[in-house]
Amino acid sequence: GESVGLHLPTLSVQEGDNSIINCAYSNSASDYFIWYKQESGKGPQFIIDIRSNMDKRQGQRVTVLLNKTVKHLSLQIAATQPGDSAVYFCAEKKGNTPLVFGKGTRLSVIA
Amino acid sequence: DGGITQSPKYLFRKEGQNVTLSCEQNLNHDAMYWYRQDPGQGLRLIYYSQIVNDFQKGDIAEGYSVSREKKESFPLTVTSAQKNPTAFYLCASTGTGLAGGPHFGPGTRLTVT
Repeated sequence: GESVGLHLPTLSVQEGDNSIINCAYSNSASDYFIWYKQESGKGPQFIIDIRSNMDKRQGQRVTVLLNKTVKHLSLQIAATQPGDSAVYFCAEKKGNTPLVFGKGTRLSVIA
Repeated sequence: DGGITQSPKYLFRKEGQNVTLSCEQNLNHDAMYWYRQDPGQGLRLIYYSQIVNDFQKGDIAEGYSVSREKKESFPLTVTSAQKNPTAFYLCASTGTGLAGGPHFGPGTRLTVT
């Protein structure tokens, strides 16, 4: 299948700052996107999702932006905390097909 | 991790032996998935099943086999034909529709020596 990639493999931010994690996807037919957070040795946890008929969705301290024109997805974390340190994956799918995952971005929060 | 159980968390086997990883869910989800994760890598799809008694190969199915005899269970067998079986294996499930995405289990780390 087509791959989903990330611009940066690692990201370090100061505690309290905002974090932005980017993702490029290649399948223009994808209609659903998810961000997952994975802590070391654990399974990925759902953070937020967005459908292709939207360009922005907000959750608690997180916002996902979707730009279909350039096939770009981003995850914004407000007031980053040490507990946000993890690997973040974006994933995409079309219809009922399985999710395709990107390689992930490691977020390190500096106290 | 709630709702999906993978056991054991750590599994050790000798090369040449088949090993079966269990995955059980009580979420009443129709679809179940097996992913493999190597260090510093993303998740790659091994097999998935959208309904009982039916399953499809993912991107890296060679050397693996699955069964889906019950809605709640989707065991994965890593056979001796899998050339590099040492990895972190993740099971996931999802209900119908798009909302929420797959829910993942805690994973099983398999080490083959």
